[in-house]
Amino acid sequence: QQQVKQSPQSLIVQKGGISIINCAYENTAFDYFPWYQQFPGKGPALLIAIRPDVSEKKEGRFTISFNKSAKQFSLHIMDSQPGDSATYFCAARSGNKLVFGAGTILRVKS
Amino acid sequence: NAGVTQTPKFQVLKTGQSMTLQCAQDMNHEYMSWYRQDPGMGLRLIHYSVGAGITDQGEVPNGYNVSRSTTEDFPLRLLSAAPSQTSVYFCASSYGARRSGGYTFGSGTRLTVV
Repeated sequence: QQQVKQSPQSLIVQKGGISIINCAYENTAFDYFPWYQQFPGKGPALLIAIRPDVSEKKEGRFTISFNKSAKQFSLHIMDSQPGDSATYFCAARSGNKLVFGAGTILRVKS
Repeated sequence: NAGVTQTPKFQVLKTGQSMTLQCAQDMNHEYMSWYRQDPGMGLRLIHYSVGAGITDQGEVPNGYNVSRSTTEDFPLRLLSAAPSQTSVYFCASSYGARRSGGYTFGSGTRLTVV
């Protein structure tokens, strides 16, 4: 049973478009919500993260929106580029454990 | 600065064989963990350690053992490999599970059990 539910499983976006990936959770003990980016053959790498006392965090073209009451958070990639094509994982931390969503495979068409 | 180093990169085992996946970090990170990655299931936590001599179980610990005798190393042992353990294994480390900053992941070990 996935503690963090991620959607969609895959996403195709045109170059310059907005990519949106959503995650939902139930455990209110989660206190840190990172997003990871993974390229084929590589380990995941931290992209951006947010704490639940903040509703939005932006770093360059990447923005996390966080809705604490709905227990949902999402990643928006503005002006999506072919180089953004990768697998994206949301995650949530409780205590010493970081749990991951199932992942979204993003393909940006040029 | 090598970061997190995992060896081997690829391994094929026969059912019932044992092996150790190696993980080493040179960043003086207190926290280390092992994940397995399977299609459609994301990364699932196997075991983790908050410091030398301290380990604990994650979501899917059965069939795996760990120990942490030094800050740098966190090996994962498969005592009797099963086909269900075919997966890509990632080691990750950080300054502390509850400190800010993300995990640094190794490049993975792709394990096939036949």
